[in-house]
Amino acid sequence: QVQMVESGGGVVQPGKSLRLSCAASGFTFSMYGLHWVRQVPGKGLERVAFISYDGRNTHYDDAVRGRFTISRDNSNNTLFLQMKSLRSEDTGIYYCAKDPGDRSSWGVGHFDYWGQGALVTVSS
Amino acid sequence: EIVLTQSPATLSLSPGERATLSCRASQSVGSYLAWYQQKRGQAPRLLIYDTSNRATGIPARFSGSGSRTHFTLTISSLEPEDFAVYYCQQRSEWPITFGQGTRLEIK
Repeated sequence: QVQMVESGGGVVQPGKSLRLSCAASGFTFSMYGLHWVRQVPGKGLERVAFISYDGRNTHYDDAVRGRFTISRDNSNNTLFLQMKSLRSEDTGIYYCAKDPGDRSSWGVGHFDYWGQGALVTVSS
Repeated sequence: EIVLTQSPATLSLSPGERATLSCRASQSVGSYLAWYQQKRGQAPRLLIYDTSNRATGIPARFSGSGSRTHFTLTISSLEPEDFAVYYCQQRSEWPITFGQGTRLEIK
């Protein structure tokens, strides 16, 4: 069955960096686009980044563009989110989520499987 | 961006009753609307995609309907495990956006 497991969350000071990972199994990783979705207290759910199945296409929410970088390693079935210049408003639970689109350049745009989430707290 | 407004914010019902949850979009999303269920301490789970298609393993008591700007999630007869928070989400236009959620609680 599909499993997605995030790691790398923690407490970090404003302005610092953090890298999240998501190890996936149970599906052909290299065939599907992937997303990072965060859940921020008081703001709900936000899709912050997308990467296509082959890594050629990426997209970022305005709130993180220029600070976050999404990438993937199809050889090791792992998704990453490099977060720099972190702000207090980036605090939340970060989920990796699979797109159901098979070899789609920009994905379908909903999320059929999710990881359990990684908590990121940005605080001094 | 497209704003999704869910109502009611909280719905109090008893097991066995029928639940009707609403999601309204600030502009047309066609049929590109999904519903998710989130239980406390868990990730969201896809229930319905493209308005009315049940995701893998979702029981038949969950159904979706609507089009353009008005959508409904119906749970025909509530089971104890259905009490959770429900979110709608549109993929018609980027940025992808979610509603603020409806909490379904036991009466």
